[in-house]
Amino acid sequence: KQEVTQIPAALSVPEGENLVLNCSFTDSAIYNLQWFRQDPGKGLTSLLLIQSSQREQTSGRLNASLDKSSGRSTLYIAASQPGDSATYLCAVGKTSGSRLTFGEGTQLTVNP
Amino acid sequence: DAEITQSPRHKITETGRQVTLACHQTWNHNNMFWYRQDLGHGLRLIHYSYGVQDTNKGEVSDGYSVSRSNTEDLPLTLESAASSQTSVYFCASSGGRPQNEQYFGPGTRLTVT
Repeated sequence: KQEVTQIPAALSVPEGENLVLNCSFTDSAIYNLQWFRQDPGKGLTSLLLIQSSQREQTSGRLNASLDKSSGRSTLYIAASQPGDSATYLCAVGKTSGSRLTFGEGTQLTVNP
Repeated sequence: DAEITQSPRHKITETGRQVTLACHQTWNHNNMFWYRQDLGHGLRLIHYSYGVQDTNKGEVSDGYSVSRSNTEDLPLTLESAASSQTSVYFCASSGGRPQNEQYFGPGTRLTVT
């Protein structure tokens, strides 16, 4: 059974800092990995999706990397802003279009 | 713009009542999913569908059912609501090749009293 772990569970940083969120998974036979953002009381917004054949994806200040063989992914946020404060969730899919298995998330607070 | 909507957004019901949560997507995606989110458990899969007339159980399916009569809708029914089913429910869909990225609805907060 796939298990996804995110460390740390919570992180508080000053504005402007570069930071890394970690995600690990137990079964390396994945099809893709998706990073989401969730604001309090809201739904999930997809940030980045990495296919199993890819090493990284970038969108603006966000960069996600994938090391499938070691079962790890990182989400790098450059020059953090208070508006980045949210919970970040990592999820893996086993096959194309399949259900996702989620980590419990990292709650990020960026202080002005 | 294509989207995925859920209704109602908030619902309070009594133990033992039947409740149906609606999910509607306009992406024409084949794949649709229902998850519940609880503190300490993260998001867990309840049911999913890969197309019309197809339904499958997820890891926490007891007490829930779904039906898929068209591409756009996957309603989730709680047969006899229990306090343990108090949660936030999210619907999602995917189907855009080749990445099959999943898109989520805004959620329904259900309270069973």
